[in-house]
Amino acid sequence: DAGITQSPRHKVTETGTPVTLRCHQTENHRYMYWYRQDPGHGLRLIHYSYGVKDTDKGEVSDGYSVSRSKTEDFLLTLESATSSQTSVYFCAISAGDSGYTFGSGTRLTVV
Amino acid sequence: DAKTTQPPSMDCAEGRAANLPCNHSTISGNEYVYWYRQIHSQGPQYIIHGLKNNETNEMASLIITEDRKSSTLILPHATLRDTAVYYCIVRVERSSASKIIFGSGTRLSIRP
Repeated sequence: DAGITQSPRHKVTETGTPVTLRCHQTENHRYMYWYRQDPGHGLRLIHYSYGVKDTDKGEVSDGYSVSRSKTEDFLLTLESATSSQTSVYFCAISAGDSGYTFGSGTRLTVV
Repeated sequence: DAKTTQPPSMDCAEGRAANLPCNHSTISGNEYVYWYRQIHSQGPQYIIHGLKNNETNEMASLIITEDRKSSTLILPHATLRDTAVYYCIVRVERSSASKIIFGSGTRLSIRP
């Protein structure tokens, strides 16, 4: 979607290695979110941010950390990737008074 | 945020109106009804939202009952490209913790 990009689009990594996913926006929106989507579970909120350096946990935050040092970037880090973190990860942005805009997703495979 | 209930699946003939129901009986006065859809392997797409009045945009119409305990998303002339999972969500706008939690949604299949 215009205004939000996720990188990388695909990644294969080994168990135990650190992984960082990046979400970049050009809309200057305050709110940013990380979701994961697995078959049979739908979209689940991992972490979200309501401003620079302001973040909070979602439903499934264990094993993940985030950072937001500037408005446009929201990073999701898996400190030590596990096979259970194989998933599709979606980033979303919101101005707070409107709907979310989602990125195209990152497909992460942990082997 | 209030919980929503949707049928797991529906189908509709191409060219006909698709009416997707959603129950949100515990909705609060300051919660909006939002609809998103997710086409296979893509990120969810915002469709429409409303508080208590009916809303229409280029994609769909949203009908909210007077007691606000349920709503219906209407796709007036469904096409094959409308095949997707549709999510009904209620949430407070302008909240400092403005996060949305997705349920299971309705899988809409459009048949030729």
